[in-house]
Amino acid sequence: GQQLNQSPQSMFIQEGEDVSMNCTSSSIFNTWLWYKQDPGEGPVLLIALYKAGELTSNGRLTAQFGITRKDSFLNISASIPSDVGIYFCAGQMAGSARQLTFGSGTQLTVLP
Amino acid sequence: DGGITQSPKYLFRKEGQNVTLSCEQNLNHDAMYWYRQDPGQGLRLIYYSQIVNDFQKGDIAEGYSVSREKKESFPLTVTSAQKNPTAFYLCASSQSRGINNQPQHFGDGTRLSIL
Repeated sequence: GQQLNQSPQSMFIQEGEDVSMNCTSSSIFNTWLWYKQDPGEGPVLLIALYKAGELTSNGRLTAQFGITRKDSFLNISASIPSDVGIYFCAGQMAGSARQLTFGSGTQLTVLP
Repeated sequence: DGGITQSPKYLFRKEGQNVTLSCEQNLNHDAMYWYRQDPGQGLRLIYYSQIVNDFQKGDIAEGYSVSREKKESFPLTVTSAQKNPTAFYLCASSQSRGINNQPQHFGDGTRLSIL
């Protein structure tokens, strides 16, 4: 199947710092999604992006759909302890019958 | 409350047994999906269904079976043919709406372990 390269794999940051993570692919996607997963729970949708160049915010979170349609990034500003979790990107290709390809996740740890 | 309900939360299986994981949604979504998640990895698609009485294999369908007799229900059976079934299983659903693919929303998962 298609591959999404998500980086970094893990991050340790101090509370209050900003965070940035990204996903890249050799394929073109029509939709980029960012999810957060807490331990033992299902992923929760954070941001959905549908257009190349689109920049969307959700509170302290900002995500962008890359111009080339092959990448996306997620920024978290002024991190807080409840930001801890695994963040996944997911991409959807045209004609993919709504199938998603997932990155392998970024494990975020926020230190007090 | 609208949402996706997976049950049970934890499931134990003896080797050689089939087990069925339940997924119910009251979001009136057309499409439903089953994913498998292993530690440190992303989600991999097992099966998906875009409409009642129809379903398609995903990337790792071998050893699994599904049915879609009702719009709100998409049960997954892990058969004895699945040699490494221990994993976290996630069900998702999404609405079909125009050309934009609608995001998938997930249940809270079922953790399956082999005794």
